[in-house]
Amino acid sequence: GDSVTQMEGPVTLSEEAFLTINCTYTATGYPSLFWYVQYPGEGLQLLLKATKADDKGSNKGFEATYRKETTSFHLEKGSVQVSDSAVYFCALTRYGGATNKLIFGTGTLLAVQP
Amino acid sequence: NAGVTQTPKFQVLKTGQSMTLQCAQDMNHEYMSWYRQDPGMGLRLIHYSVGAGITDQGEVPNGYNVSRSTTEDFPLRLLSAAPSQTSVYFCASSYSGLGSNEQFFGPGTRLTVL
Repeated sequence: GDSVTQMEGPVTLSEEAFLTINCTYTATGYPSLFWYVQYPGEGLQLLLKATKADDKGSNKGFEATYRKETTSFHLEKGSVQVSDSAVYFCALTRYGGATNKLIFGTGTLLAVQP
Repeated sequence: NAGVTQTPKFQVLKTGQSMTLQCAQDMNHEYMSWYRQDPGMGLRLIHYSVGAGITDQGEVPNGYNVSRSTTEDFPLRLLSAAPSQTSVYFCASSYSGLGSNEQFFGPGTRLTVL
C-alpha cells in the first residue's frame, strides 16, 4: 500500500543553519505530496504542497521538489530560525482517488537553538 | 471564521467509559475526517465523511463510531474506552473529498484512558 518514510529526529540545528528533512514515498498512480507543520500545542498546518512531478512547493522560505524518479519530496530551508522549531510531517494523497485521505510519515522534530 | 474547532481540549476517562469528541467547522467543507496521533506513528485515519449522511472507515476504525447529520459537525464516539485509545485526536476538513485540497486541522483533543 501507499506509504511515506521520513527521517527520524530530533534534528537539532543552530539558528541560520541549512535544513534538510528527507522524505520518500511509495504509491501507485500519481500522488500529491505535502509538508505539514505542527507547532507546540497546536494542530497541523499545511506548509507546502506539490501535485505533479518536478513541481516545487514553497512557503515561508521552505521548499520541496516533487521528484518522481527518486520518489522523494525533501524539505529544505536555507536559514532556519528559532521560530521554525516544530514537528514536520510529510504526507501524500493519491491524485484522482475517491477520497482525500492523507497518508502521513511519522514526523520529524526540529529544534533550532539560538 | 473560527475554522475547525474541537472540544474538549483534554479528557481523562476510565476504562469502559464512553464519551464523544466534538468537531465543528464553519467553512462549509464537504470532507471531514478524524485522525489519531501516537508517538512514532504519525497520524492515522480513523473515520471520514465526504458529506452529510455519508461516512466510511479509515485505517484504524475499531472502537470508534461517527455520524454526520450536518455539514458542520462530525462527532467521534468512543463507546467503551480502552487504554489503547490514549492518544491525541485531530479533526480535519477540506472543501472536497477529491484531489489535493488542503486539509484544515483542529487544535486536537488529548485523551487519556486509565
